Amino acid sequence: DQQVKQNSPSLSVQEGRISILNCDYTNSMFDYFLWYKKYPAEGPTFLISISSIKDKNEDGRFTVFLNKSAKHLSLHIVPSQPGDSAVYFCAARASNAGNMLTFGGGTRLMVKP
Amino acid sequence: GAGVSQTPSNKVTEKGKYVELRCDPISGHTALYWYRQSLGQGPEFLIYFQGTGAADDSGLPNDRFFAVRPEGSVSTLKIQRTERGDSAVYLCASSLRREGAGDTQYFGPGTRLTVL
Repeated sequence: DQQVKQNSPSLSVQEGRISILNCDYTNSMFDYFLWYKKYPAEGPTFLISISSIKDKNEDGRFTVFLNKSAKHLSLHIVPSQPGDSAVYFCAARASNAGNMLTFGGGTRLMVKP
Repeated sequence: GAGVSQTPSNKVTEKGKYVELRCDPISGHTALYWYRQSLGQGPEFLIYFQGTGAADDSGLPNDRFFAVRPEGSVSTLKIQRTERGDSAVYLCASSLRREGAGDTQYFGPGTRLTVL
């Protein structure tokens, strides 16, 4: 049973517009969430994270929103740039259940010039 | 500074053979993790080391998989009697493992294992 789901396998956005990537989770024990970006033939690169005590974290063009009641988080990229084209993974961790990350299946973002 | 490095970047082997995959974590990171990523999926946890000891090996699929970290730095993932289903990208990550704070895992480029 997938505890972290990214229901959109792909997303296409025009350069300059907003990209919104979504992630849902089922385990209420998750208390720390991360977004990673992955280019082909490279490992995942850390992008941004959020603790469950917050509902928003912003870093430049990237903002992560957490809705604990809905068990939903989203990553907003604005403005989107062609270099943002990659696969984005959300990941979650339960601090009292080890340090492993549970990943979603990824969303491929394509930003068109 | 240097990131997480993994060798080899690619490994092709035959069914039934033994392979070793190596990971060099970021200097000073006490925690080290192994994940496996199959095509079209997200990474799946295999094992986590805190220092030299395996703190959580619940993700290892069976006893053909084993990992060591004898000096608390470099780690080796060992796979015996490889099967075609073991073909995947094996990712290593490391972190500072700070208690009570957000702990970010930084990943290496991975080793792509192909079992023929």
